[in-house]
Amino acid sequence: RKEVEQDPGPFNVPEGATVAFNCTYSNSASQSFFWYRQDCRKEPKLLMSVYSSGNEDGRFTAQLNRASQYISLLIRDSKLSDSATYLCVVSFISGGYQKVTFGTGTKLQVIP
Amino acid sequence: EPEVTQTPSHQVTQMGQEVILRCVPISNHLYFYWYRQILGQKVEFLVSFYNNEISEKSEIFDDQFSVERPDGSNFTLKIRSTKLEDSAMYFCASPDGSGRYNEQFFGPGTRLTVL
Repeated sequence: RKEVEQDPGPFNVPEGATVAFNCTYSNSASQSFFWYRQDCRKEPKLLMSVYSSGNEDGRFTAQLNRASQYISLLIRDSKLSDSATYLCVVSFISGGYQKVTFGTGTKLQVIP
Repeated sequence: EPEVTQTPSHQVTQMGQEVILRCVPISNHLYFYWYRQILGQKVEFLVSFYNNEISEKSEIFDDQFSVERPDGSNFTLKIRSTKLEDSAMYFCASPDGSGRYNEQFFGPGTRLTVL
């Protein structure tokens, strides 16, 4: 099983649609979880951290299910500008230091 | 908002040549990371650096790679003898200065092309 697994997509959705991405991770000792957004040939940028209680930031909602070891991201009312690759990122402590693992990313294309 | 900067933005080199990629992390951050991303593939961890020492490295980070913090601000990644497969985007990152477990801020990357 891959350390962090995502459906690569692409997800092609019309403007205004709601889309959800899932991510699974294999290391039950993982402690911190994030969603990053990456535009083509650019650096990853933090979209949001994912907390056990779930968290929301405008049109974006992130959920964490530790028992099933998955993380989700929900985007409501999709905009054209949401088109990007969404990276699931998981970290845990190894030897006293943070070890960060990226998923392959899920590509989203929002269509007019 | 403080940011991580990297130079050069694009480096083209011949196979077997040495390259040095430079990063200026966010000031007061203590932990630094290098990642690489081969075109079309996922972001891969290379090495982490704390208190002027390597704290963790991946299997990718072999003897051809080295990192340094030559002064109080710059953080460099050196590839001694580049191979074709070293062609990738190289990102420098540092976690939020409040701790080492937090989200990471990435520089814009250096695109390395090995011919």
